Amino acid sequence: DTGVSQDPRHKITKRGQNVTFRCDPISEHNRLYWYRQTLGQGPEFLTYFQNEAQLEKSRLLSDRFSAERPKGSFSTLEIQRTEQGDSAMYLCASSPVERGFNEQFFGPGTRLTVL
Amino acid sequence: GIQVEQSPPDLILQEGANSTLRCNFSDSVNNLQWFHQNPWGQLINLFYIPSGTKQNGRLSATTVATERYSLLYISSSQTTDSGVYFCAAPTDSWGKLQFGAGTQVVVTP
Repeated sequence: DTGVSQDPRHKITKRGQNVTFRCDPISEHNRLYWYRQTLGQGPEFLTYFQNEAQLEKSRLLSDRFSAERPKGSFSTLEIQRTEQGDSAMYLCASSPVERGFNEQFFGPGTRLTVL
Repeated sequence: GIQVEQSPPDLILQEGANSTLRCNFSDSVNNLQWFHQNPWGQLINLFYIPSGTKQNGRLSATTVATERYSLLYISSSQTTDSGVYFCAAPTDSWGKLQFGAGTQVVVTP
């Protein structure tokens, strides 16, 4: 049973460029979450999906951010016109839908550096 | 929403020592997770523990839901235990997690 995978693991970009990250959840996990973590802080929720439906977006997610989960499988997170403040670790997690609250399993993260 | 507080913020241990990390939450929770974040940033699941006590090797965790806290015990610490330990609780029925600020643990040889 493979875990959650994320690609790329590291991304360095210049301010103003667009970037896209990919997350592959654990097979058959219906729920998928994106979190962002800045240095010295705990992860903060960004958005989540139940199958292909995006259920909530945090206020941290400005209009420059968009996330998709086509066909309820992998998910992508795109940041347009990156800013230095976007530099962070972007974490993806998935969980099964078996009861109301489920254990979440995290991927290795994508570390974004905006120059 | 629910607030999650962790203490202490930093902990320095000599190899072989025991320690206790604490997680307080502001409201009743249906579940709680403990994670270890390694130096590469990966969050490793330690415990999924709504109440009671669980043990996994040298680590154990206890959640007292009625008193709104959870404890993580590290016994006979090893240098590989170094890293940041987070607790997190769901804030809604979809499982959105609220993390504490973490406890940075350094185990010295």
